Amino acid sequence: DTEVTQTPKHLVMGMTNKKSLKCEQHMGHRAMYWYKQKAKKPPELMFVYSYEKLSINESVPSRFSPECPNSSLLNLHLHALQPEDSALYLCASSQDAGFGNTIYFGEGSWLTVV
Amino acid sequence: QKEVEQNSGPLSVPEGAIASLNCTYSDRGSQSFFWYRQYSGKSPELIMFIYSNGDKEDGRFTAQLNKASQYVSLLIRDSQPSDSATYLCAVNAGTGGGNKLTFGTGTQLKVEL
Repeated sequence: DTEVTQTPKHLVMGMTNKKSLKCEQHMGHRAMYWYKQKAKKPPELMFVYSYEKLSINESVPSRFSPECPNSSLLNLHLHALQPEDSALYLCASSQDAGFGNTIYFGEGSWLTVV
Repeated sequence: QKEVEQNSGPLSVPEGAIASLNCTYSDRGSQSFFWYRQYSGKSPELIMFIYSNGDKEDGRFTAQLNKASQYVSLLIRDSQPSDSATYLCAVNAGTGGGNKLTFGTGTQLKVEL
């Protein structure tokens, strides 16, 4: 079983709603990631946090707002999403954000925007 | 544009056979290479990583890397129906900007009874 835990597993939200995805890792890792995966497509990087600081934002729209309260927790706040944002959102972690560190994924949160 | 290419498949092999999954990458500066398995409706699960030219074996899995040919492969020996999944090749180019993986589109493997 993965040691990266994501909640909720499934989320349905309206375009005017505000919701959050949550992620927790118990491996003592200092880098955490958000990826987005559409059906039959590979994961796409959204954000990287390194030592609780945002280090990479892959030009993600501002309706997605990441937050890293501490080294074990990572949130993704969602507001005014569009139906095309429906996807599997994957949290991941690695020992640190240095090059080549192995990235471990959580089980994902399935998001449907209606 | 850094690219990682895989044949989308499906690749069908009989149970007990060797499945060979291939991946090519465009960035010669790529340094680390990963294979993830993803079952339908699930998240990617790390199978193997390889950094050096040659072979790396772990149980029924062997990763092969040839940096001169910009080619990485995954062999699965004694294929089982439970190996049926999509296999994602991922490459870290190491060109700065931290730990960023570029994924291929994945190869769907079907192991038939």
